[in-house]
Amino acid sequence: AQSVTQPDIHITVSEGASLELRCNYSYGATPYLFWYVQSPGQGLQLLLKYFSGDTLVQGIKGFEAEFKRSQSSFNLRKPSVHWSDAAEYFCAVAQTGTASKLTFGTGTRLQVTL
Amino acid sequence: NAGVTQTPKFRVLKTGQSMTLLCAQDMNHEYMYWYRQDPGMGLRLIHYSVGEGTTAKGEVPDGYNVSRLKKQNFLLGLESAAPSQTSVYFCASSYNPGTSGTNEQFFGPGTRLTVL
Repeated sequence: AQSVTQPDIHITVSEGASLELRCNYSYGATPYLFWYVQSPGQGLQLLLKYFSGDTLVQGIKGFEAEFKRSQSSFNLRKPSVHWSDAAEYFCAVAQTGTASKLTFGTGTRLQVTL
Repeated sequence: NAGVTQTPKFRVLKTGQSMTLLCAQDMNHEYMYWYRQDPGMGLRLIHYSVGEGTTAKGEVPDGYNVSRLKKQNFLLGLESAAPSQTSVYFCASSYNPGTSGTNEQFFGPGTRLTVL
């Protein structure tokens, strides 16, 4: 069964600093990988996704993620964080093919200090 | 185009009461899902549906029932609510990943349920 680990429960960064959120997955084949963001009291919004091809994926709001098969990782990055990026971030993995169930990590809460 | 909507947004129940949460989507998606979100546990799949008239169990189905009578609607029922079902419930929908090549799911805003 697939699984996702987000080792950092809470991260605090200063506005303007760079950000990297870690995500490790466990899945036998090439997975579908996602990053979602959840602002307080809101639903989840897709930031970016990886299905195949280029391992560096660009998303919305200036985020990017890199798929590294050798490390089973899909870390999320942003070169300069804005105060509005404060939210909870979820990494998710799905089986390829017809099965579509997403397995989510436990989330990383990002706090941005001014 | 409203996307995925959920009704109600908030609800408080007493132990043993029943209720139904409604999810509606206007994107003509074949697949629909119900998740629950609890602190420190991420989102866990309760039930899902791959088409009108079909449902399947997810990771945490006990205590819940679902129905998909219309393609655009997916109902989640609690027959006898328990305090352990206090949670935030999210509905999501997607195209058939086997034909669309994507598992991208679109989420509703959530329903916050408290069971006393």
